[in-house]
Amino acid sequence: DTGVSQNPRHKITKRGQNVTFRCDPISEHNRLYWYRQTLGQGPEFLTYFQNEAQLEKSRLLSDRFSAERPKGSFSTLEIQRTEQGDSAMYLCASSPGQGTNLGRYEQYFGPGTRLTVT
Amino acid sequence: LAKTTQPISMDSYEGQEVNITCSHNNIATNDYITWYQQFPSQGPRFIIQGYKTKVTNEVASLFIPADRKSSTLSLPRVSLSDTAVYYCLVADWYSSASKIIFGSGTRLSIRP
Repeated sequence: DTGVSQNPRHKITKRGQNVTFRCDPISEHNRLYWYRQTLGQGPEFLTYFQNEAQLEKSRLLSDRFSAERPKGSFSTLEIQRTEQGDSAMYLCASSPGQGTNLGRYEQYFGPGTRLTVT
Repeated sequence: LAKTTQPISMDSYEGQEVNITCSHNNIATNDYITWYQQFPSQGPRFIIQGYKTKVTNEVASLFIPADRKSSTLSLPRVSLSDTAVYYCLVADWYSSASKIIFGSGTRLSIRP
């Protein structure tokens, strides 16, 4: 257990429905990342927060995806009008540090939320 | 952006030393090398990070030659529980988050 929790662990939804995932990072970590991982591939970056500010978003993140981190604590990732191609493991990670030295600090990953869109 | 190349898979036996090499020919001066381990249905877990020469911690060693165009993760006396996917990442300490790329990793299988 890394100290990062994600809920739910599994989600099955029908195409066109909206889903929301939650991530609770390690409390003293001010950086939070969301990744998506499909079978046989490594995690792909989706978005990054420093405290409550969303500083980066991947081009992979279509306008159906939105993420928030109110008050710089937990974060939510919402997918609207889900598509079958959204089926994947969604991973959240947190790390300490300030400023721009992102590559310096290790990331602590949660167990992920596995989404299946039918 | 330094791209990494790793073997897709490796096999070994319990008690052996396993070395996984990552190639990063266009690594930049400010880039650091980081390795993560991932078990099925879990998130990746940090193993080790280094810049040059050798780094050792309680679970692994990381060897980086002088030209830094490759790096080798060494796992001493592996056990069945070391069966996992291992990712090599190369990123500037000042990289943007989108430049920290995991790639496809090396699937390591340990046999009794």
